[in-house]
Amino acid sequence: DVKVTQSSRYLVKRTGEKVFLECVQDMDHENMFWYRQDPGLGLRLIYFSYDVKMKEKGDIPEGYSVSREKKERFSLILESASTNQTSMYLCASTKQVNQPQHFGDGTRLSIL
Amino acid sequence: RKEVEQDPGPFNVPEGATVAFNCTYSNSASQSFFWYRQDCRKEPKLLMSVYSSGNEDGRFTAQLNRASQYISLLIRDSKLSDSATYLCVVNLGGAGSYQLTFGKGTKLSVIP
Repeated sequence: DVKVTQSSRYLVKRTGEKVFLECVQDMDHENMFWYRQDPGLGLRLIYFSYDVKMKEKGDIPEGYSVSREKKERFSLILESASTNQTSMYLCASTKQVNQPQHFGDGTRLSIL
Repeated sequence: RKEVEQDPGPFNVPEGATVAFNCTYSNSASQSFFWYRQDCRKEPKLLMSVYSSGNEDGRFTAQLNRASQYISLLIRDSKLSDSATYLCVVNLGGAGSYQLTFGKGTKLSVIP
């Protein structure tokens, strides 16, 4: 079974802090994704990566950056956290385009 | 605008009932289709892929209608444990596109 592990289930940070969310997958998947999920808005893609050191903007990249230094790890960075970034963050991975994505447990991030 | 649309529900059905959800998508070039299940405060989990010829997995049947641009999910003999939100997921960009677009989900409650 694919295992996608996110570093924290719950996280509380303060406005203006730099926040790092980590995601690791153990199935040698090329493609990794970061989403946020908010009530009434569904899942929205923030960034994705199709190879080491490669990244592409999703639908809502503003206020975020990402890092993919190793194939198994994809990090999401909130450069200067704001209250409107309070959300559930979900990491996913997939071996090939057009295949289903496998999700981590999610990180519930609260920005105070 | 590229979209995946679902009836949000809730669908409240008695145990043993048959229930069906539809999902429409905006791009006729879409190539990959999936149904995911998401329990409250949990990550989405793949329920089944949807193939052109239709496919069945136990009590679950998925269908694709390319002409009308919709997919469907049929659940027979509903169980209490089927209560969840069902997400329709489509690769709207077609072959070679990395992005999956998620519908906002249809909530199902199976009642005793």
